[in-house]
Amino acid sequence: DIQMTQSPSSLSASVGDRVTITCRASQGISNYLAWFQQKPGKAPKSLIYAASSLQSGVPSKFSGSGSGTDFTLTISSLQPEDFATYYCQQYITYPWTFGQGTKVEI
Amino acid sequence: QVQLVESGGGVVQPGRSLRLSCAASGFAFSNYGMHWVRQAPGKGLEWVAVLWHDGSVKYYADSVKGRFITSRDNSKNTLYLQLNSLRDEDTAVYYCATGNSSKPLLYWGQGSLVTVSS
Repeated sequence: DIQMTQSPSSLSASVGDRVTITCRASQGISNYLAWFQQKPGKAPKSLIYAASSLQSGVPSKFSGSGSGTDFTLTISSLQPEDFATYYCQQYITYPWTFGQGTKVEI
Repeated sequence: QVQLVESGGGVVQPGRSLRLSCAASGFAFSNYGMHWVRQAPGKGLEWVAVLWHDGSVKYYADSVKGRFITSRDNSKNTLYLQLNSLRDEDTAVYYCATGNSSKPLLYWGQGSLVTVSS
């Protein structure tokens, strides 16, 4: 199985900060990488697919990059509604696997 | 709009069975593969299973293989997950989700809580 490792596991940031989350795959996954945002008690929300493509309706302050084994999610200017947990996920092969999550806190 | 509504969760004893349903609307259900993803309390997301649009292909996570079975009824626009031989560690919110080959897991249900406890 492909293991996905996110860093950091949690981070504290302020409104207006630029935040970067890293995701590393245990083997190459090309660009078959998605990012999700989850708020407490809610279902995950798809932000990015194919490593860098923004889902429709997702603000452009979110961006993704990377290919192969190393990927990043960047939030350009953190807003109060962005405080949540973020997950990366590979979908190149089954079983699909998620990173352990990164909690973004105030 | 796309809507996925899970039901069937509850409290069940270890070793017993439960069946979850996911009712789909707002899209051509019979054209889409469907997934189950779960989340244990306070933990991260775990992909559980996928079922091809026509039911021809299934994959499962190792943690549930041989115990869980996913199926679908395209005439009823409904996806199912049969949970057998339940263990304490199966306690989780179970989500159904779908997308397409380029936008996987785009749509999610609200989740159904399964609690395995004696």
